[in-house]
Amino acid sequence: GAGVSQSPSNKVTEKGKDVELRCDPISGHTALYWYRQRLGQGLEFLIYFQGNSAPDKSGLPSDRFSAERTGESVSTLTIQRTQQEDSAVYLCASSADWSSYNEQFFGPGTRLTVL
Amino acid sequence: SQQGEEDPQALSIQEGENATMNCSYKTSINNLQWYRQNSGRGLVHLILIRSNEREKHSGRLRVTLDTSKKSSSLLITASRAADTASYFCATADYKLSFGAGTTVTVRA
Repeated sequence: GAGVSQSPSNKVTEKGKDVELRCDPISGHTALYWYRQRLGQGLEFLIYFQGNSAPDKSGLPSDRFSAERTGESVSTLTIQRTQQEDSAVYLCASSADWSSYNEQFFGPGTRLTVL
Repeated sequence: SQQGEEDPQALSIQEGENATMNCSYKTSINNLQWYRQNSGRGLVHLILIRSNEREKHSGRLRVTLDTSKKSSSLLITASRAADTASYFCATADYKLSFGAGTTVTVRA
């Protein structure tokens, strides 16, 4: 595709509900990353996928957060039993491979608001 | 955890002036990257400087890297209103670690 796409662009949910966020990376990119950005803050790494390797989940803040990726395509980030502190913009990025010498291409993000 | 820390947190300049922001980091890196973010949404990659490079240019952007001081600077010359954004440095080992960013406002 032309770029990284994410859906929905905005999501408002009630505390305690589950939400699922979707990311479509650039076609052919083997590495995919999820970040969280709270208001006025920098990006917080959550998880990354590289090909068929086991994902690096070291940034997930709690066991309410999980993510999956189908092959080298779509990824979904699921937050169970949402809390108000989960409110943030969730950004997805992809790069050609895991090498840190490759720039990451970011999607527009999903703004999650937990009431 | 955040690796890079930008300074200043906010910067306001007149159109046509230069804007300089700094980034300090803690551990050794493979490279350091600068990104721009408009309106709190997606980030755009600006420039990457490798650990064995000291200075790099891209259009009106100049980036320096001092690995002995674990610091980098981003200079935007002849700023324009369209440069108004938040700027983040990101250090790279096998993933990117971002700082909190510098918010730059360019006044017309």
